[in-house]
Amino acid sequence: GQNIDQPTEMTATEGAIVQINCTYQTSGFNGLFWYQQHAGEAPTFLSYNVLDGLEEKGRFSSFLSRSKGYSYLLLKELQMKDSASYLCAVRDRPYSGGYQKVTFGTGTKLQVIP
Amino acid sequence: DTEVTQTPKHLVMGMTNKKSLKCEQHMGHRAMYWYKQKAKKPPELMFVYSYEKLSINESVPSRFSPECPNSSLLNLHLHALQPEDSALYLCASSPGLDNEQFFGPGTRLTVL
Repeated sequence: GQNIDQPTEMTATEGAIVQINCTYQTSGFNGLFWYQQHAGEAPTFLSYNVLDGLEEKGRFSSFLSRSKGYSYLLLKELQMKDSASYLCAVRDRPYSGGYQKVTFGTGTKLQVIP
Repeated sequence: DTEVTQTPKHLVMGMTNKKSLKCEQHMGHRAMYWYKQKAKKPPELMFVYSYEKLSINESVPSRFSPECPNSSLLNLHLHALQPEDSALYLCASSPGLDNEQFFGPGTRLTVL
């Protein structure tokens, strides 16, 4: 099985930088995704990490350390529209030759204030 | 066409009704998924289809019956649901099982 932990809520100021952490425990790690979900809407894909290091995509960056079971999503130059839930999702393959499954964390609700 | 569409957007049904949720994508994706999401909870995987064949059934009750008529369409047939089945039902697709998933807008289901 999987255990994924994220902070429940965070607040940050418009124009600032915020880091959302995610820790996980899994038996057959095979990739980590970050999704953004506005209230009442579907999740939208932000980033994907399978190797250690930083992936940058515009204002959003995601970091992965497989040895520590740790990832973070970094949002720069925060805008009001960034207020949303951010979901960390881990893909694992429980056993060799078995199917892969993506499990979502409970999400971090980010509020951006003026 | 770069999106996943779902119909209907909202559905209210009684416990004796039979209804179907529909999902469509024209991105050539070979994997399609059904998720259930309750309020303030993460999406929970229900079913995965790969190349139109059911790959994963996450121990979902038989009152939920998936169907993949072709590579672009995914249905979820509902029968004899319970009030606790009320949730947002999300469809997603991906190029393959190894890729990021693209979600549709969801169907908000209420079971009375």
